[in-house]
Amino acid sequence: GQQVMQIPQYQHVQEGEDFTTYCNSSTTLSNIQWYKQRPGGHPVFLIQLVKSGEVKKQKRLTFQFGEAKKNSSLHITATQTTDVGTYFCAGPYSGGSNYKLTFGKGTLLTVNP
Amino acid sequence: NAGVTQTPKFRVLKTGQSMTLLCAQDMNHEYMYWYRQDPGMGLRLIHYSVGEGTTAKGEVPDGYNVSRLKKQNFLLGLESAAPSQTSVYFCASSSSTAGQPQHFGDGTRLSIL
Repeated sequence: GQQVMQIPQYQHVQEGEDFTTYCNSSTTLSNIQWYKQRPGGHPVFLIQLVKSGEVKKQKRLTFQFGEAKKNSSLHITATQTTDVGTYFCAGPYSGGSNYKLTFGKGTLLTVNP
Repeated sequence: NAGVTQTPKFRVLKTGQSMTLLCAQDMNHEYMYWYRQDPGMGLRLIHYSVGEGTTAKGEVPDGYNVSRLKKQNFLLGLESAAPSQTSVYFCASSSSTAGQPQHFGDGTRLSIL
């Protein structure tokens, strides 16, 4: 079945350092979504990428969708303590059901002030 | 605007007991989902519904049943709880437009002793 892999599983940084998490799918994706979950909270939608090679920015966050639409990345510039949480990527289920998502296991980011 | 509301927020059960988790959404979304989240496992889909009166199995459906009698509500039942079902359960909903993000509730933390 479809697999969505994320690396690294954990990342600890000093405040001000950059952070990147990578997402790889075993199948081509029609789109990819990114979610953030704060400790003790619930996943919150951040962004969706649809086009091959697409790059989107949200303030200090930069999201990329690979040319082959099988991988994606999230880069945070100059991390802040408010960036702490788990970042998940998710792609539509490969069985043709665009309303079901396969989530990666997430990358837990901790930031030392 | 409540979004997705889950009840209860916490519950402790004994092995063999039954219970129902309730999810309600006020966004008129067609699709609703139940996930479980365990450490290091990410979000795994239990059951989902694409409309009132319909349900379907997800990735890990065994030991759970669901019902969607009303469009705004999606119930998750545990008929005979087992310690392996100790987890955090999230309900989510999304519109029927392809690729739309999922909106999550705050979660139910369930412990089975």
